[in-house]
Amino acid sequence: DQQVKQNSPSLSVQEGRISILNCDYTNSMFDYFLWYKKYPAEGPTFLISISSIKDKNEDGRFTVFLNKSAKHLSLHIVPSQPGDSAVYFCAASAAGWNFGNEKLTFGTGTRLTIIP
Amino acid sequence: DGGITQSPKYLFRKEGQNVTLSCEQNLNHDAMYWYRQDPGQGLRLIYYSQIVNDFQKGDIAEGYSVSREKKESFPLTVTSAQKNPTAFYLCASGQGDLSNQPQHFGDGTRLSIL
Repeated sequence: DQQVKQNSPSLSVQEGRISILNCDYTNSMFDYFLWYKKYPAEGPTFLISISSIKDKNEDGRFTVFLNKSAKHLSLHIVPSQPGDSAVYFCAASAAGWNFGNEKLTFGTGTRLTIIP
Repeated sequence: DGGITQSPKYLFRKEGQNVTLSCEQNLNHDAMYWYRQDPGQGLRLIYYSQIVNDFQKGDIAEGYSVSREKKESFPLTVTSAQKNPTAFYLCASGQGDLSNQPQHFGDGTRLSIL
């Protein structure tokens, strides 16, 4: 049972335009969400996160939006740059698990390609 | 420079052989994790350890074993009981509050079967 879903396996965006990556979740206990970026043969690197008490978090070119009623979050990258080409993973965590809120459930990833 | 070191980067296993993947961190994190990534799939949790000398099964622990004798080290053994071990293995560490310090990942070990 996939609790975190990224329904678009790939996305191509023109350089300079906005990239929008989507993520849906089913577990209503999730209350913290993260986006990781991954290059081939490397480990994921943390990008941005959001708590369920917020609906938006912004960091430079990256903004994450959370819609709790729809159990949906999205990552906006604007303007998109060639170095943004990577696989993006959405991850979620639930407070109150047996060791706090660190256990992460990952989506299947979206491969973003920025076209120069 | 603090971080997580996984070794080796590439590993080959013969049928019926156990192999051990190394993970070391110098971030002074209490918690460590092992994930497996397969093509077209997200990261799946194999084992995690909240504190030294304690560890818990994740979602896909069958065929794997771990130990946590030191805070900085969390080796993963892929046993012969794991029938489909070919994958990219990622180790991570974390320290409690995700809002202050999200999980950090190593660069992974790719395991293949000869």
